[in-house]
Parts: sequence; C-alpha cells; structure tokens
Amino acid sequence: QQQVRQSPQSLTVWEGETAILNCSYENSAFDYFPWYQQFPGEGPALLISILSVSDKKEDGRFTIFFNKREKKLSLHIADSQPGDSATYFCAASRTGGYKVVFGSGTRLLVSP
Amino acid sequence: DAGVTQTPRHEVAEKGQTIILKCEPVSGHNDLFWYRQTKIQGLELLSYFRSKSLMEDGGAFKDRFKAEMLNSSFSTLKIQPTEPKDSAVYLCAGGDQNTLYFGAGTRLSVL
Repeated sequence: QQQVRQSPQSLTVWEGETAILNCSYENSAFDYFPWYQQFPGEGPALLISILSVSDKKEDGRFTIFFNKREKKLSLHIADSQPGDSATYFCAASRTGGYKVVFGSGTRLLVSP
Repeated sequence: DAGVTQTPRHEVAEKGQTIILKCEPVSGHNDLFWYRQTKIQGLELLSYFRSKSLMEDGGAFKDRFKAEMLNSSFSTLKIQPTEPKDSAVYLCAGGDQNTLYFGAGTRLSVL
C-alpha cells in the first residue's frame, strides 16, 4: 500500500518536444505529491508539487496533472531542453507526516 | 544559503571497517533524514530526526547503521562493520513542511 510506481524507466525525447512522465500510487491517504529532479553527482531537488485537492499545477514549462480517482499523476515537460536531462522522482506523502515514499525514477534524456 | 553539506563526497572502505559520514543541515529545518540510494532499491529511508530526537531508525538497517544528531547543525551516520552490499550513495536531507532539501551525498564503495 506504500508503493509509488513510475513509468517509463527511461525516456528519450527531442529538444522542443513534450516529455510525459507517469506516476501512480496505492495509498489513498497520500495527499501531497512532489516531483524531485536529480542531476548526476547531486542530490534530488524539489521541482514542483501538487496537493490532492488540485487536478493541475503549472510552473513554467512543468505541469503536473493529477487524477485522484485513478490514483495517477503525470509530469509534463513542455519544450524540453537538453538541460532537462536528469532523473525525475515522483513521491507521495501525507501533509503533516514525515514519511515520503519515492518512486524508482524516470531517467529523461533530451537530445538536441 | 549554503545548502546541506555532506562530507566526504567519496569514501572507499574495506569490508569490516567502520565509517562515519557527516551532514550539516540547513539552519532552521526541524527534520533531518538519512537515505540510501542505489539503482536497484532506489531511495530507502535509514533514519529520521525531528528536533534532534530520533523518530525512526530504519528497521532493517538498525543492526549496523547508527545515525546521531549531536546538535541541530550536525549529524553523523556510522556504518559498522561495513559490507560490500553497503556500496551506495548516502544522502542527508533537511525537511521543512513536507519538502526535503538534499545534500549532494556521499558515494561509498566497500571492497
């Protein structure tokens, strides 16, 4: 019940395309869903997050779409740039709690 | 804002050695986490402190892993004795309102 699943494991897109990263979860008690971005040699860093009361969150080229009924969410990266090449982790937690469950990550490569 | 500082960045140990990893969190974060990251298992929680008190000690990692928070600005993770399967990146993170702020990690190789 604690699992967070991500797909695909790796994704390659051309510069300028929209990359779509998928995530699903099992525990309906989760209500906070951050996405973390990790570059090689660095720790993950918060990219964008959404609360379960919303179905969409935008921040520049990054958009989260959230479907509470299906327990699914996705991260869309519009106009992908080579600098977006990184591993993206979907995570889930309960607001006020401390346990953050991470997915296994999607490795994104943006080719120029 | 200097961010979370972890030292050393790389550590090589022989099987059976004791190693100590260090973390200096960002001032003001009440929560501190230690995670282990591997390609196969992903991010695994080792320890969690809230206001310097140990709240979770990582279950399966208890026997050879010990995290301590000596003060609000310094934490250590001791692995004793090390085993080759401990080879991984160890990440420290400060927490604030459900957001984690990670350090760059320590890459540990156990021979």
